[in-house]
Order: sequence, then structure tokens, then C-alpha cells
Amino acid sequence: DTGVSQNPRHKITKRGQNVTFRCDPISEHNRLYWYRQTLGQGPEFLTYFQNEAQLEKSRLLSDRFSAERPKGSFSTLEIQRTEQGDSAMYLCASSQDRLGGEQYFGPGTRLTVT
Amino acid sequence: GEDVEQSLFLSVREGDSSVINCTYTDSSSTYLYWYKQEPGAGLQLLTYIFSNMDMKQDQRLTVLLNKKDKHLSLRIADTQTGDSAIYFCAEWESNSGYALNFGKGTSLLVTP
Repeated sequence: DTGVSQNPRHKITKRGQNVTFRCDPISEHNRLYWYRQTLGQGPEFLTYFQNEAQLEKSRLLSDRFSAERPKGSFSTLEIQRTEQGDSAMYLCASSQDRLGGEQYFGPGTRLTVT
Repeated sequence: GEDVEQSLFLSVREGDSSVINCTYTDSSSTYLYWYKQEPGAGLQLLTYIFSNMDMKQDQRLTVLLNKKDKHLSLRIADTQTGDSAIYFCAEWESNSGYALNFGKGTSLLVTP
């Protein structure tokens, strides 16, 4: 299967802890996106990479959120000092390197902060 | 920013057609998408339409686009119980050139 994969699928953490999620995009896709989805809402855009370059990070929710894609392949999203309001589904998507390239989503990582 | 609007809930009988409506906000959006999400899962891309098209058909799916009213619809013919899911409309943000702006989703329930 060559779809987008995300790990872990579920993460439960205590408030104040740091968490890191991983996304492996479709292999030939240069573009990678992170979204957050809360209950009853559609996904909300967070950040975007073209190869290893993070071209948009102003929409990360706070300075506790950071993302990397060091070699232009997999990406990680880290949340430091988690808060209960961070509980959500974190979705990764990837697309080909062209305008309007269809974004294919992974299964998501569900974060619960207790 | 402005919201992409969708009705929240739709119930149809198996075998009937379903029509899910969406009003988008970005008049310059070149691409509009429909995604399907089953419980606990990620989003599955169903279909998309370019803004220079009025209609696109893909097997049981028909997308209609009215650019003047910024209205998008998804028709599912011969709806099956396996079509029960949440359907999201999304517009490609013309000002960013990469982000998708999603509606809140329409929950479709198909009853036997």
C-alpha cells in the first residue's frame, strides 16, 4: 500500500507532556500538509512543506507547535507542554508538486490530553 | 475567515439519490473537492472539479458547480448503506495556493 501513513494512531498523554507524531507521505509526493480536526468540525490547516522547506507556518496554533521534514520525506509534528485543548485528530496529507494537486490524507493521529 | 457552509445532516433510504450541498467562500478558488470520512478514519478524496467546469460525473457521483452563487453539490446515485459517512466540501485557497478550507461536514445516514 502506498498511501499516506501516520503513527501513532492514538496517543494519550498527560497535560504538560510533549508529544511527537510522524507522517510518511506517498513516495512521489513533494508536498506535505498538516491539519487539525476537532469534534464536529472540518480539518483546519496548520502548516505546509514543499520538499524539506516549510513554506507556511504562521497558522500553527501556537509556538508550542512545530513541524519538521528534514530530508523531504517523512515529517514530524511536535506539541510541547500539551494542554487539554490540544485534544484532536491530527491529519497529514500529501500531494504532487503542482497547483491544486489533490491532497491525499492519512488515517490521522488521535490525541487525548488528560 | 469566512466559513464554507454545509447542511449538517441528511437521511436517505437505500437506493435513493442523495444530494449534499455546499456554499463556498472563495470566488477565485480554482479547485473544489469532496471528501468522505468514516468513523475514526482519515479523509478519502472522492472527487474534485475545476472552476471552469459546470458538472463532473464519476460513476455514481455527480458534482454540480454554480460559480455565480458559489454553490457546489454532490449527488450520489443509488445510495448504499456503505455510503453512510460524513462528507466534506473543501475549497482550494487561492490566496495561499496550497491550503484547503473545509466545511463542517454533512453526516449522511442511509437507512435500509
